[in-house]
Amino acid sequence: EVQLAESGGGLVLPGRSLRLSCTASGFTFDDYAMSWVRQAPGRGLEWVGFIRSKVYGRTTQYAGSVKGRFTISRDDSNSIAYLQMNSLTTEDTAMYYCTRAGTAPYSHFFDVWGKGTTVTVSS
Amino acid sequence: DIQMTQSPSAMSASVGDRVTITCRASQDIKNYLAWFQQKPGKVPKRLIYSSSSLQSGVPSRFSGSGSGTEFTLTISSLQPEDFATYYCLQHSSYPWTFGQGTKVEI
Repeated sequence: EVQLAESGGGLVLPGRSLRLSCTASGFTFDDYAMSWVRQAPGRGLEWVGFIRSKVYGRTTQYAGSVKGRFTISRDDSNSIAYLQMNSLTTEDTAMYYCTRAGTAPYSHFFDVWGKGTTVTVSS
Repeated sequence: DIQMTQSPSAMSASVGDRVTITCRASQDIKNYLAWFQQKPGKVPKRLIYSSSSLQSGVPSRFSGSGSGTEFTLTISSLQPEDFATYYCLQHSSYPWTFGQGTKVEI
């Protein structure tokens, strides 16, 4: 079964850092781009960023709200995608989801999501 | 950035109703659009990809259409389990952007 599982969330002070992990199983992780999406309490979905597969150079793209503060990376040998979050603010408080971002013909684009991990930024 | 505007933001409907949700893009996104359903406290679920392709396992009462800047998600006969919030997502250009959501209530 195709599965994604996020971990690493928690309570963190403003200005501090946190690293989230997304562990994949049930599919060939190396073949897929991976994306992160977040949802602040009571708000809508916000795309955070994504990382391409090795074939496409593992290059990354980010939303403007996190660019320069967040970094996405991947460990293909262990099927894990990471979201390194620095200089956190209260605006980053949200549930963070990882999802598979398959390329064309997009049958595997955002088709699988993890259950999410909660990040709370508060003093 | 491409803005995705959904309408309506919220709506009341009854079981059996035909429901149409619109998503408008601020510029041409061809058919790089997906639709998601999210119930309270649950993980988003993809319904439609590439504007009109139905996700495997999703009931056929759901359909998507459109290209360019205007897209619609239609539920042909609303069922009790369809009361949820629906989001569109464009992945034509970076940053990818979601619509603000449409809450479908009883």
